[in-house]
Amino acid sequence: GAVVSQHPSRVICKSGTSVKIECRSLDFQATTMFWYRQFPKQSLMLMATSNEGSKATYEQGVEKDKFLINHASLTLSTLTVTSAHPEDSSFYICSARRLAGGPDEQFFGPGTRLTVL
Amino acid sequence: SQKIEQNSEALNIQEGKTATLTCNYTNYSPAYLQWYRQDPGRGPVFLLLIRENEKEKRKERLKVTFDTTLKQSLFHITASQPADSATYLCALSGKTGANNLFFGTGTRLTVIP
Repeated sequence: GAVVSQHPSRVICKSGTSVKIECRSLDFQATTMFWYRQFPKQSLMLMATSNEGSKATYEQGVEKDKFLINHASLTLSTLTVTSAHPEDSSFYICSARRLAGGPDEQFFGPGTRLTVL
Repeated sequence: SQKIEQNSEALNIQEGKTATLTCNYTNYSPAYLQWYRQDPGRGPVFLLLIRENEKEKRKERLKVTFDTTLKQSLFHITASQPADSATYLCALSGKTGANNLFFGTGTRLTVIP
């Protein structure tokens, strides 16, 4: 149990286009979903926290108008990178916190590799 | 702001030996400390969680210690195997309801056959 999926796993896009990444909890309901970004040889950096039915909370330095997050249900959150630029190329990982889970145990998706040309 | 450091970027050990990874933190008093495994191009996989009032936790060949005075956690893999080769991340969080997980920089472990 506690499986999180992401789609797509890889995406290549042209500069200036928008890309949507989906994060789904497959076998549990998630009160909260998190979006992280990981650059090569660096650790995961939290971008934003989203709760179902409410606005996402963004970390300092993360532009909310550029990284649009929608958490429409207890099993789905989406991250849209708008007007993507090469510096947005990174590994984007989501995680989900289970509704009746233990303290801060998060289940991570497999990640989405975004390359902006 | 909180700072989390893992002792070395890379660690090589011989198969069968015990691997010991270190996680040190400053400017933070976590309620929980977690260890994750991450393989290349994949998301982290949860391994163990230890609470601030716990000194040690074990799971199969894994052992984690947590010293809140030293602000340090040690992660041990006994009888290491080549399949244990991966990057290991420590992560800290506050009390339940504080959502954020703060990750360390990771240690890339290679177990040599």
